[in-house]
Amino acid sequence: AQSVTQLGSHVSVSEGALVLLRCNYSSSVPPYLFWYVQYPNQGLQLLLKYTSAATLVKGINGFEAEFKKSETSFHLTKPSAHMSDAAEYFCAVSDGYGNKLVFGAGTILRVKS
Amino acid sequence: NAGVTQTPKFRILKIGQSMTLQCTQDMNHNYMYWYRQDPGMGLKLIYYSVGAGITDKGEVPNGYNVSRSTTEDFPLRLELAAPSQTSVYFCASSPNRDHTEAFFGQGTRLTVV
Repeated sequence: AQSVTQLGSHVSVSEGALVLLRCNYSSSVPPYLFWYVQYPNQGLQLLLKYTSAATLVKGINGFEAEFKKSETSFHLTKPSAHMSDAAEYFCAVSDGYGNKLVFGAGTILRVKS
Repeated sequence: NAGVTQTPKFRILKIGQSMTLQCTQDMNHNYMYWYRQDPGMGLKLIYYSVGAGITDKGEVPNGYNVSRSTTEDFPLRLELAAPSQTSVYFCASSPNRDHTEAFFGQGTRLTVV
């Protein structure tokens, strides 16, 4: 069975600072991993995904994530936060064979000016 | 625009009432999903379908029903609304079962009073 843990339900950074959102996963099979972003009152938008190719995955809006099997982590980073990055971010795992995504609880990112 | 369309966007129901949340996609995806999102809980799978005429339960199916008579439509039915069903509901579709190309709708915010 798969599970996802997102460390920190709220993260606050200053504009221009590094964004780091943490995600650890558990999976009995090689996982597919995803980061989604949800802006207020909107649906989920895919930021990036890992599907067993390159371990460093680049996504939209300057975000990237690195798959570290030894640490069972898939942390999301962005070198310089922008006000428009304020949103809720979800990490999710799929085993590629099952019929669902397992989501973490989400991390709300606040960007201070 | 191509994608997943959910209606209505907002709804208030009284306890015991019934309603159908509509979901339609125009991408000819075989796989469709209903998730509910509760604060601090991420998204949980309610029901899914792997093609027209085929549906199956997810993690939290109690109190809901679905049907899939066409590839495009995947309505979610609440028969006897309860306050515990207050949530935001997301429909998603995918051309494959691993979710790597999944699209999410904008969500339906349901309040049961």
